[in-house]
Amino acid sequence: EIVLTQSPGTLSLSPGERATLSCRASQSLSSSYLAWYQQKPGQAPRLLMYAASNRATGIPDRFTGSGSGTDFTLTISRLEPEDFAVYYCQQYAGSSWTFGQGTRVDMK
Amino acid sequence: EVQLVESGGGLVQPGGSLRLSCAASGLTVRSNYMSWVRQAPGKGLEWVSVIYSGGSPYYADSVKGRFTISRHISKNTLYLQMNNLKPEDTAVYYCARVASVEEGYFDYWGQGSLVTVSS
Repeated sequence: EIVLTQSPGTLSLSPGERATLSCRASQSLSSSYLAWYQQKPGQAPRLLMYAASNRATGIPDRFTGSGSGTDFTLTISRLEPEDFAVYYCQQYAGSSWTFGQGTRVDMK
Repeated sequence: EVQLVESGGGLVQPGGSLRLSCAASGLTVRSNYMSWVRQAPGKGLEWVSVIYSGGSPYYADSVKGRFTISRHISKNTLYLQMNNLKPEDTAVYYCARVASVEEGYFDYWGQGSLVTVSS
């Protein structure tokens, strides 16, 4: 089973700052199989990025996904107040899925 | 507009059973890969089960042999039968659609149904 490790656990930033979130896989995976989600308290997760670098419908271009192999990154270029949330990466390995443990982006 | 609406959650004793439902509109359960994902209180997301469009089910090791995923075609509804429940099964259970068979990401999610396993 591929394990996804996200870092840091918590990121404390101010609106307008840049956020860089990391997702490291325990073994190499196709970038086609890496997605990112945003979750706010009391809400279901929301798809942000799929196939590592493709923004989902309606996702603003301040969100960028990149990476390959075992190292993937989600970058938020300038944090807006609505971006403070928990972010999860997820991989698909044919009939099974795993998520990272999440990175919380808090307002400083 | 796609909507997934879960129901059936509640409080159950350890060893008990519960069946969750996920009523879909705006998409056809039969034609999609449909999945259950859960989230224990204050914890991260954990994939639980998937049913392929052809009907094949798959499960996480943590629930294999205890949970059964199924669907009702005419009701356009997804189910999760949960037997021999354990306290560690306490979580919000989300149903979600696998958007792409080739890329395996979840694009539509329900609002979740809380299952609490406690005596």
